[in-house]
Amino acid sequence: NAGVTQTPKFQVLKTGQSMTLQCAQDMNHEYMSWYRQDPGMGLRLIHYSVGAGITDQGEVPNGYNVSRSTTEDFPLRLLSAAPSQTSVYFCASSYSVMNTEAFFGQGTRLTVV
Amino acid sequence: AQSVSQHNHHVILSEAASLELGCNYSYGGTVNLFWYVQYPGQHLQLLLKYFSGDPLVKGIKGFEAEFIKSKFSFNLRKPSVQWSDTAEYFCAVNGGDYKLSFGAGTTVTVRA
Repeated sequence: NAGVTQTPKFQVLKTGQSMTLQCAQDMNHEYMSWYRQDPGMGLRLIHYSVGAGITDQGEVPNGYNVSRSTTEDFPLRLLSAAPSQTSVYFCASSYSVMNTEAFFGQGTRLTVV
Repeated sequence: AQSVSQHNHHVILSEAASLELGCNYSYGGTVNLFWYVQYPGQHLQLLLKYFSGDPLVKGIKGFEAEFIKSKFSFNLRKPSVQWSDTAEYFCAVNGGDYKLSFGAGTTVTVRA
């Protein structure tokens, strides 16, 4: 059972480039989310999804897009990378909204130069 | 939306010392409470969770936490730390609005 799989693990982008961070889970979880982790700020929610076809914004959504065409996949798109988006990105999934724990992927370390 | 406050930014301990990390949250309704740990270079792993029932929760690796509703707190404790407990610890709160909120994290360094 792979759990939550993120690719790539590391990425360097130039300012203005676009890219997609991939996230897949094999636990048939309805709820998926993306966080960014920055020193001294904990994890901040970027976007989340409560099921296929349903997404919503979190705390820091600007500059990012998401879609959820299947239960398994929840890609995060950076439209035009900026140095402020240099961060570690984590994808998480959980069975439902309440009374369940979130499982995290291994993270993607993104550097924008 | 809920907010989560962790009292300590960095804690340095010697092996066998006791550890207590503070966590307070702002949400007044029903909450799920979590402590996650992140070892250097790794992803977040669940230490323990509280959904309902006994407010004293035991987790993995000898950790426990106590939910005090009147104080909006969920403090993490371990009676005797080991060098392998060196990690970053995050308190998280889910208030049922689809948004799991994290504190800023506490870095714990255990000296051998």
